Amino acid sequence: AQSVTQPDIHITVSEGASLELRCNYSYGATPYLFWYVQSPGQGLQLLLKYFSGDTLVQGIKGFEAEFKRSQSSFNLRKPSVHWSDAAEYFCAVGDGYGGSQGNLIFGKGTKLSVKP
Amino acid sequence: ETGVTQSPTHLIKTRGQQVTLRCSSQSGHNTVSWYQQALGQGPQFIFQYYREEENGRGNFPPRFSGLQFPNYSSELNVNALELDDSALYLCASSRASGGEETQYFGPGTRLLVL
Repeated sequence: AQSVTQPDIHITVSEGASLELRCNYSYGATPYLFWYVQSPGQGLQLLLKYFSGDTLVQGIKGFEAEFKRSQSSFNLRKPSVHWSDAAEYFCAVGDGYGGSQGNLIFGKGTKLSVKP
Repeated sequence: ETGVTQSPTHLIKTRGQQVTLRCSSQSGHNTVSWYQQALGQGPQFIFQYYREEENGRGNFPPRFSGLQFPNYSSELNVNALELDDSALYLCASSRASGGEETQYFGPGTRLLVL
């Protein structure tokens, strides 16, 4: 069965420091991969997505992610974190049900705290 | 802003009652998916509707049901509410495009079952 693992439950970084959030997936075919961000009490905002092509994808708010098929990973990075980046981050894979993207399978999330 | 709206924003019900949650899709989108997000967890897929037909269902019992209307808005109905149904319910709309579609989420409805 498809699954997504986010190994880090909570990460704290200093403002201005670099960030990497890890995501590993289990999926038989070429996956559709996503990163979403959720601020407290809010819905999910799409940061970036990978469907095919260039394995390094750029997203909003200065985020990028790299798809590594050999490692089944899709890690999210940002070179310099801002206090407003504090939120929960979810990695997801589209399971391709019904010939389309199907439903999204989410990891359990990584909560990011930013120190001044 | 994704253009996906949900109502109500918050709801309190008691065990055994029934609830209806509503979702209005982003313009041009013909697919709606519903997710349940329990506290401290990632969202879990409930079901998806495409052109008014159920197009996939997650591991949720039949007391979770849905509808999609001709204007692509949608409802999630939950009967016989249980305490564990307390969660944030998210809807997401997308435009089916052979796999490379992106789901855009609404702000969610927070349901508390007492």
